[in-house]
Amino acid sequence: AQTVTQSQPEMSVQEAETVTLSCTYDTSESDYYLFWYKQPPSRQMILVIRQEAYKQQNATENRFSVNFQKAAKSFSLKISDSQLGDAAMYFCAYIAGTASKLTFGTGTRLQVTL
Amino acid sequence: DAGVIQSPRHEVTEMGQEVTLRCKPISGHDYLFWYRQTMMRGLELLIYFNNNVPIDDSGMPEDRFSAKMPNASFSTLKIQPSEPRDSAVYFCASSWHPTGVRGNEQFFGPGTRLTVL
Repeated sequence: AQTVTQSQPEMSVQEAETVTLSCTYDTSESDYYLFWYKQPPSRQMILVIRQEAYKQQNATENRFSVNFQKAAKSFSLKISDSQLGDAAMYFCAYIAGTASKLTFGTGTRLQVTL
Repeated sequence: DAGVIQSPRHEVTEMGQEVTLRCKPISGHDYLFWYRQTMMRGLELLIYFNNNVPIDDSGMPEDRFSAKMPNASFSTLKIQPSEPRDSAVYFCASSWHPTGVRGNEQFFGPGTRLTVL
């Protein structure tokens, strides 16, 4: 069975600094997708970034980028120039290429301080 | 499009009562998912539908939970009778085929916070 592990329950970063959130996963599939979702206090789940396993290039979306290490089954999220609005729960998620079900990690709560 | 719409946003009820949560997916999406989020168990997939047909309900905790999708624009999740341990945030999400066009995003609704006293 696929599992997603986020080992950092909480992280803190100062405004304008960079922070990296960790995620590891376990799968026997070769074709899959990885996601980072953001959940602010409003509870809305918002997709931050997506990575296709068959792509070697790391995905980037403005201030958000990932470090995808397929052999190590690691998928970390880097947030550059952190802003107060980045404060939220961040969930790592996995879906196999042949499946329809997302598997979520337990989340990392990110605090952004002045 | 208004996004995925859920109602009510908050529901407080007493143990033993029937609870019905509602969801309107994004028009054109043919997959609909119901999730439950708790502190203890995180985000759990309860059931999902494809073209209004339930595909996998293995996450539904017990027979007290049931879900229907009578048409492409409406789904319900019902709990009868409700228990305090059902207190959670329930999310509905929809997407185009998750794998037909690879790795499609699931769009989440704002959730319903359910409190069972």
